[in-house]
Amino acid sequence: DAKTTQPPSMDCAEGRAANLPCNHSTISGNEYVYWYRQIHSQGPQYIIHGLKNNETNEMASLIITEDRKSSTLILPHATLRDTAVYYCIVRVGGGQFYFGTGTSLTVIP
Amino acid sequence: DAGVIQSPRHEVTEMGQEVTLRCKPISGHNSLFWYRQTMMRGLELLIYFNNNVPIDDSGMPEDRFSAKMPNASFSTLKIQPSEPRDSAVYFCASTPTGAAGYGYTFGSGTRLTVV
Repeated sequence: DAKTTQPPSMDCAEGRAANLPCNHSTISGNEYVYWYRQIHSQGPQYIIHGLKNNETNEMASLIITEDRKSSTLILPHATLRDTAVYYCIVRVGGGQFYFGTGTSLTVIP
Repeated sequence: DAGVIQSPRHEVTEMGQEVTLRCKPISGHNSLFWYRQTMMRGLELLIYFNNNVPIDDSGMPEDRFSAKMPNASFSTLKIQPSEPRDSAVYFCASTPTGAAGYGYTFGSGTRLTVV
């Protein structure tokens, strides 16, 4: 039970920001939002996570709405190597990760 | 840090044969997870261990599948007998136990083909 909804696919021009949306309208107060990505034939890779506040690291930014019912992952300057399937997951601390179908992002030259 | 190490990377076996997949988690990570990925079903959690003890194996498809973790640095997933529908990529992941702020680190996976 993934508890999240993501568009199945998106395109982004190389060098532009990629904004990947995720709906998690039934999120509970103690559930975190995590983002992973999976490049073809590789294991999923952790990107970022957050609870209520917006977060930024060297890979991406995570924007969570005030009501926490949706979030956006932002890749500020997409490169061809960012082409992957991106998974948005909600998880209670210490709980398991259940992966949905994700968004297949294609970065176009 | 070598990350989560899985072996073999690829395995081709005949139906009915026993298959053993291996995983070495990151040192100090005491939770370990086995996932299976297929085109039809995506990523499925099969079983996870906490401090070498199996906690939840509800995702294990049937009795042909078994997993062990004899120590903190090694786990196996065994399929006996194997069937063509077991063909998939099997991933192992590890994380510090109960850490809300930590994600999982995944291995590179084992691609299993049963013919």
